[in-house]
Amino acid sequence: QSVLTQPSSVSAAPGQKVTISCSGSSSNIGKNYVAWYQQFPGTAPKLLIYENNKRPSGIPDRFSGSKSGTSATLDITGLQTGDEADYYCGTWDSSLSAWVFGGGTKLTVL
Amino acid sequence: EVQLGESGGGLVKPGGSLRLSCAASGFSISNYNMNWVRQAPGKGLEWVSAISPSSTYIYYADSVKGRFTISRDDAKNSLYLQMSSLRAEDTAVYYCARDYSNSLKGDSWGQGTLVTVSS
Repeated sequence: QSVLTQPSSVSAAPGQKVTISCSGSSSNIGKNYVAWYQQFPGTAPKLLIYENNKRPSGIPDRFSGSKSGTSATLDITGLQTGDEADYYCGTWDSSLSAWVFGGGTKLTVL
Repeated sequence: EVQLGESGGGLVKPGGSLRLSCAASGFSISNYNMNWVRQAPGKGLEWVSAISPSSTYIYYADSVKGRFTISRDDAKNSLYLQMSSLRAEDTAVYYCARDYSNSLKGDSWGQGTLVTVSS
């Protein structure tokens, strides 16, 4: 049971837009920055979004993040087949003193 | 280039012990919070432990508290995880990850090392 809640899977056609949600509480998302990580099978996670909506260098602007209250969202526009991966949200939980993650969302580009 | 490389994984019997290492290059770990995060086969990411610069603050997930010990050797630019009383549910790929800052967690990850706990 993950502290943060994400849909287990999402899908969309190439070129379309997909939104992945991440729901938490006042002790985690409500109080701290959210990050998003992309993970391809058999590889390590990679930072995609940090501080709710900032992209590390090299991450295309097709990827964007936002946060409102105790929820966060990752948007991916202009979907490509190469975007098929698992996506995780994560943040610090101030009550648990723990780095918490969502259960992960598998993106399928149909 | 920032790089992290884990080692020390392997097959261990339930109740056994194992020590994981994470060697850093391209930066000095002395200035950064460092973490261990694991991923059981086919499952999601689970944070295990974190250690701040100078080991001032150390945190553990409840699932490993009292069994795992995180440590760092800044002179060797390395992070460690001593695991004892291992259980089948500790089977996972273990990643080390750097926090660039308190608000930027997990900016760099290692490739992971597999720990299998089985008789």
